[in-house]
Amino acid sequence: QQQVKQSPQSLIVQKGGISIINCAYENTAFDYFPWYQQFPGKGPALLIAIRPDVSEKKEGRFTISFNKSAKQFSLHIMDSQPGDSATYFCAASDGHAGKSTFGDGTTLTVKP
Amino acid sequence: DVKVTQSSRYLVKRTGEKVFLECVQDMDHENMFWYRQDPGLGLRLIYFSYDVKMKEKGDIPEGYSVSREKKERFSLILESASTNQTSMYLCASSLSEGRSSSYEQYFGPGTRLTVT
Repeated sequence: QQQVKQSPQSLIVQKGGISIINCAYENTAFDYFPWYQQFPGKGPALLIAIRPDVSEKKEGRFTISFNKSAKQFSLHIMDSQPGDSATYFCAASDGHAGKSTFGDGTTLTVKP
Repeated sequence: DVKVTQSSRYLVKRTGEKVFLECVQDMDHENMFWYRQDPGLGLRLIYFSYDVKMKEKGDIPEGYSVSREKKERFSLILESASTNQTSMYLCASSLSEGRSSSYEQYFGPGTRLTVT
């Protein structure tokens, strides 16, 4: 049973456009929802994260929108740039030993 | 800067061999994790450890074991490597809940293991 479902699997966006990646979770005990960014040949790195007590968090061009009742959260990348081309993973954690459950990943390509 | 290092970037082993993947972190993190990454399957947790000598199974522990004798080091062991264990292996670490307000994980660069 997959606890975190991520879509789409791949995404192509023109430079300057908005990239949107969606995730849905099932376990209501999750209380930390991070997004990780991974470039080829590198390990994932934390991009932005949110707790369920807020509905939105913004850091620069990156925004997480969180809908607790729908058990969904999404990553919005405004003014997408070719340097944003990477694989993005959503995740969810209930805090046990810092363990996170990851989505399957989205490969984002931003065309110049 | 947190640094998580993995012993090899690339490894080629034969079926049936015993394989050791080593991971070291330098930030005094309590939690350490081993994942495998396969295209379209995301990051799947193999094992994790929340303290020295403590370990818990993740989602796909079959065919693997782990060892954590020192806080900074977490080893993944493939007792008898098989071709279906060909994958990218990622190690990560994080602070315990009591020492951090987040559960951020810091990842190593990965080991690309090929079993022939």
